[in-house]
Amino acid sequence: GDSVTQMEGPVTLSEEAFLTINCTYTATGYPSLFWYVQYPGEGLQLLLKATKADDKGSNKGFEATYRKETTSFHLEKGSVQVSDSAVYFCALRGTGRRALTFGSGTRLQVQP
Amino acid sequence: DADVTQTPRNRITKTGKRIMLECSQTKGHDRMYWYRQDPGLGLRLIYYSFDVKDINKGEISDGYSVSRQAQAKFSLSLESAIPNQTALYFCATSGPSGQGESGYTFGSGTRLTVV
Repeated sequence: GDSVTQMEGPVTLSEEAFLTINCTYTATGYPSLFWYVQYPGEGLQLLLKATKADDKGSNKGFEATYRKETTSFHLEKGSVQVSDSAVYFCALRGTGRRALTFGSGTRLQVQP
Repeated sequence: DADVTQTPRNRITKTGKRIMLECSQTKGHDRMYWYRQDPGLGLRLIYYSFDVKDINKGEISDGYSVSRQAQAKFSLSLESAIPNQTALYFCATSGPSGQGESGYTFGSGTRLTVV
């Protein structure tokens, strides 16, 4: 079945550092890929998405590129802020699937 | 008002009790989902519904049931709660995939503790 693997956290960075959170997936066909963010005490919010190979999703300074050859969708940001502290979830919708499959989440802590 | 509203926000219940978690949405979406979140396990799908007459089990449906009372309402029930159902529960909605991959809109969650 479909699955998503994320790097374990927490990831602790200083403000203005470069962020990478790794995400790899297993799925048949051509899945759609997503990153969601969960701030403390809140539900998940869609951060960005990509629906076909080589697409780059971007939002709020975050980017991720759909790499079919490496089955990856790594999240990056050039300069993190304290306000980016949250849990980040990678997710996919497999071809013909009716619901999203989520990774285990990666907690990011940004220190001033 | 929030697009997806979950009630209650927090609930403590005793083992063996029946409990219902409610979800309502103003997005006009046909598709609704229930997930549970556990530390280190991410979100796991319990049930989903694509319209009032379409109810489907997810990967962890045992011990749960659902009711789609209307397009906008989707309730999750624990018939006889047990401690390992202690978790954070999320309701989500989405539009049809034919309109583009819009992803989900989530509620704020219900934190359930079974003692």
